[in-house]
Amino acid sequence: SAVISQKPSRDICQRGTSLTIQCQVDSQVTMMFWYRQQPGQSLTLIATANQGSEATYESGFVIDKFPISRPNLTFSTLTVSNMSPEDSSIYLCSVSQTSSREQYFGPGTRLTVT
Amino acid sequence: AQRVTQPEKLLSVFKGAPVELKCNYSYSGSPELFWYVQYSRQRLQLLLRHISRESIKGFTADLNKGETSFHLKKPFAQEEDSAMYYCALIPAGTYKYIFGTGTRLKVLA
Repeated sequence: SAVISQKPSRDICQRGTSLTIQCQVDSQVTMMFWYRQQPGQSLTLIATANQGSEATYESGFVIDKFPISRPNLTFSTLTVSNMSPEDSSIYLCSVSQTSSREQYFGPGTRLTVT
Repeated sequence: AQRVTQPEKLLSVFKGAPVELKCNYSYSGSPELFWYVQYSRQRLQLLLRHISRESIKGFTADLNKGETSFHLKKPFAQEEDSAMYYCALIPAGTYKYIFGTGTRLKVLA
């Protein structure tokens, strides 16, 4: 298993600003993912964070809005850029090893944009 | 399109009653299916997966390819089972989950 921490745990931001969310894992992992969970809705995959290369984004999500970094096998960041109230959501980081399809989830970052 | 459907947003049962949380999927190949659970103030965690065919905390789930379903069942609900339950699918050849919308289970005393 893996223990995942996210910072910040919550934030309230003004529209037009950007927020960077950090995801730290206690062990090296192959795969890291970022999800969004909007109020009352399910988890939607934003992107797969690839170590040493550009993230792979899902349909409807673009790098300019959600730039992702993954400098090593234990850390990733997701930036929510030029925020609007529609970006208010919980953002979750998860990790997985290629040997297992189980994903371990972080506690989430609750973002409110005013 | 690949999709996971959980038709019930909320399911309330009395303690000791049987529970069935429904999950249907839309996928043309052989999927890998999971149930994840999120207890109050805790993070999302794996409950069980269809390939392991195990029982966790008294819950079981059988993959029915004919009905494209993966319902979660427990014969006797307990209050500590109250949580949010998500069904998820991984298409073959990927590691990306497709989640259902979730069902909130409330077990009443």
